[in-house]
Amino acid sequence: GENVEQHPSTLSVQEGDSAVIKCTYSDSASNYFPWYKQELGKRPQLIIDIRSNVGEKKDQRIAVTLNKTAKHFSLHITETQPEDSAVYFCAANGGGADGLTFGKGTHLIIQP
Amino acid sequence: DAGVIQSPRHEVTEMGQEVTLRCKPISGHNSLFWYRQTMMRGLELLIYFNNNVPIDDSGMPEDRFSAKMPNASFSTLKIQPSEPRDSAVYFCASTEDRNVLTFGAGSRLTVL
Repeated sequence: GENVEQHPSTLSVQEGDSAVIKCTYSDSASNYFPWYKQELGKRPQLIIDIRSNVGEKKDQRIAVTLNKTAKHFSLHITETQPEDSAVYFCAANGGGADGLTFGKGTHLIIQP
Repeated sequence: DAGVIQSPRHEVTEMGQEVTLRCKPISGHNSLFWYRQTMMRGLELLIYFNNNVPIDDSGMPEDRFSAKMPNASFSTLKIQPSEPRDSAVYFCASTEDRNVLTFGAGSRLTVL
């Protein structure tokens, strides 16, 4: 099955700086890569996703890049704000047959 | 739509008791997933259904866990007998394309 590795496990950045979270996956058949944000005590919520026919996707301060050759994808958050503090999960779909496999999560801390 | 509805939100029980968690997916979604979230293991896929049929239950930890989906609007996850190591947040999620998951609010289970 699919295996997703995520780094770092904790990331602390100054408010206004950029944050980058990286993930690698193992199954070359994976073609869908979402990112979820989970605030304390809440459910994971989809913030952005990318499919394998696209190398980069942007939505305001959030962007995701995908390198299929290297089997890795990254989340970029620019101009970080206090409300960006949360746990972020990457995931891959293992070719679509097995649901989503999630990384272990990154706890993003925005320092004022 | 009210989204994915889970109950109970919190459950505290004693070791050996039976626990039943319930989920109502979003109307029209044809796939339903049960995930378990712990600090140590992150988000783990337990089982998923497509058109009410269990497709992959390889993530179910052991025979004490069982899941059913008797119709398109209802699923249960049962643990019998429960053990302290089952303590976790159990999320149900649904999707219409096996990829873009919408999560419920989760059921926090504590087994004493």
